[in-house]
Amino acid sequence: RKEVEQDPGPFNVPEGATVAFNCTYSNSASQSFFWYRQDCRKEPKLLMSVYSSGNEDGRFTAQLNRASQYISLLIRDSKLSDSATYLCVVSPSGNTPLVFGKGTRLSVIA
Amino acid sequence: NAGVTQTPKFRVLKTGQSMTLLCAQDMNHEYMYWYRQDPGMGLRLIHYSVGEGTTAKGEVPDGYNVSRLKKQNFLLGLESAAPSQTSVYFCASSITGELFFGEGSRLTVL
Repeated sequence: RKEVEQDPGPFNVPEGATVAFNCTYSNSASQSFFWYRQDCRKEPKLLMSVYSSGNEDGRFTAQLNRASQYISLLIRDSKLSDSATYLCVVSPSGNTPLVFGKGTRLSVIA
Repeated sequence: NAGVTQTPKFRVLKTGQSMTLLCAQDMNHEYMYWYRQDPGMGLRLIHYSVGEGTTAKGEVPDGYNVSRLKKQNFLLGLESAAPSQTSVYFCASSITGELFFGEGSRLTVL
């Protein structure tokens, strides 16, 4: 089982739709979790951290389920500008480097 | 603010040639990383450093060497380039888990 697995997509959704991505991780000792966003031919950038209690930033909601070892990202009221690849990122433990999923591609269509 | 700067941004090499990619960060971060990104493969860690004078192997270190002589710089070397090393290379730095990426260096080996 890969350390971090994501559905590669692409997810093609109309403007205004709600879309959810899931990500599973294999290391139950993992400590920190993040969603990064990567635009085409650009570098990844942090979208949001994921906390056990869940967290929300505008139209974006991230949740963590430690028991099932998965992380989710919900995007409400999708905009054209949300089109990008979303990377699930896990910190295994301590000073171990972050592990990236392969990403889920989202295309929001007018 | 410059953040993380990579040079060069584009390079074409012939098989067997050598080259060095330079990464510079002005955020006083301890941790620095080199990743490569290939279609369908996601980001894969080549080497990383947890501080000046230290380096460690990542997931795909073969064919690459690194040096961290100064805290702000992290160099990635290819001693004898191969076509399999055609990729986009990203440098990143971090201090508390969030990674800050450079804009990437596109390398083509013919």
